[in-house]
Amino acid sequence: QVQLQESGPGLVRPSETLSLTCTVSGGPISSSYWSWIRQPPGKGLEWIGYMSYSGSSDYNPSLKSRATISVDTSKSQFSLKLSSVTAADTAVYYCATGISSAYFEFWGRGTLVTVSS
Amino acid sequence: EVVMTQSPATMSVSPGERATLSCRASQTVNSNLAWYQQKPGQAPRLLIYGASTRATGIPARFSGSGSGTEFTLTISSLQSEDFAVYYCQQYNNWPPWTFGQGTRVEIK
Repeated sequence: QVQLQESGPGLVRPSETLSLTCTVSGGPISSSYWSWIRQPPGKGLEWIGYMSYSGSSDYNPSLKSRATISVDTSKSQFSLKLSSVTAADTAVYYCATGISSAYFEFWGRGTLVTVSS
Repeated sequence: EVVMTQSPATMSVSPGERATLSCRASQTVNSNLAWYQQKPGQAPRLLIYGASTRATGIPARFSGSGSGTEFTLTISSLQSEDFAVYYCQQYNNWPPWTFGQGTRVEIK
């Protein structure tokens, strides 16, 4: 069973870069699709983007090129960077994976990131 | 962007009863639709993909149907552990993949 665990700062200052890491265990990182999804407090889900095992990636246009996802197969980790954050980026951030880039079979527990000065 | 609209926003159901949740897409998504269950403080859990295929380990009381723009998730006999928020998600037109706003199923 694949398990995922998000890690990173719980507080980020406005205009700075949010950086999160997802550590994968129980399955190969080199043959799946790796995604980030977020959920503002009390609200619904928003897909951020994905990266594939082949290196292809795509992102939600609403993020206006602020998001970057990378994979480090040697560490079984993938990461999210979101630049120029504002209070609107406050959310629980989930990493997720599966055999498809399109739906999400395995999820991390999520980590709350608050953007505040 | 495809807008997913779920109804109702909240439904009150007694244990053992059937629950029928609806999801409508603003344009056709063929059968490229997934359903998720989310309990408080937990990550979403994949229930259904391909509009009607149950994910691994999902009980048979959960079933999905529909294609095009109209979809339904049916829980045939609600168990105590089924009270949660349910989201639909389309993966036909991207980017981005989009989710509905959720339906909360609460105990009557």
